Amino acid sequence: QSALTQPASVSGSPGQSITISCTGTSSDVGSYNLVSWYQQHPGKAPKLMIYEVSKRPSGVSNRFSGSKSGNTASLTISGLQAEDEADYYCCSYAGSSTLGVFGGGTKLTVL
Amino acid sequence: EVQLVESGGGLVQPGGSLRLSCAASGFTVSSNYMSWVRQAPGKGLEWVSVIYSGGSTYYADSVKGRFTISRHNSKNTLYLQMNSLRAEDTAVYYCARGGSGYSMGYWGQGTLVTVSS
Repeated sequence: QSALTQPASVSGSPGQSITISCTGTSSDVGSYNLVSWYQQHPGKAPKLMIYEVSKRPSGVSNRFSGSKSGNTASLTISGLQAEDEADYYCCSYAGSSTLGVFGGGTKLTVL
Repeated sequence: EVQLVESGGGLVQPGGSLRLSCAASGFTVSSNYMSWVRQAPGKGLEWVSVIYSGGSTYYADSVKGRFTISRHNSKNTLYLQMNSLRAEDTAVYYCARGGSGYSMGYWGQGTLVTVSS
């Protein structure tokens, strides 16, 4: 399985909204509504932010939202805050007899 | 409260072996799908292996035939036996509990494995 494609970096000012894309194929993102997003601060473990394309775990701010169109999933963060600065990874289910596949990660900088 | 605590990392020579452990509390390992995910220094996340509640296991092509995932039900612990280690296996290894929609809702703090002579 090839890694999903994410932009290496995105940036935004406090209060603004940003969107991170995650492009896969018809074998992963395009075939299943099983895309999740993880936030990772330096030196910390990843944290689940979105699962099943657009669902938020308990405790995750509603400033985080997810969507999908075709082979591309997206994570949108609205009302950017300084603490949102982190790396973000998407991940997709890719079938019953294989592992899921991660994106390469996107570094979000809050200007 | 769900907790995952990894141990067993360290420095090992190329070709050597290491066994990682992930002690779980607050839930039953054997009732969940459990994964190992690694992150090489300065790199992204890579799903290494998964074990489902029914016992099925899967591996990344990069570790197939060298790594073995297992669990000890009475100890409520997940393991990763790593043999024939290579420099490219150097990474922080995380264990994670599966959640809804094939996500990973709980992660350990990670344990560093360094393969070097």
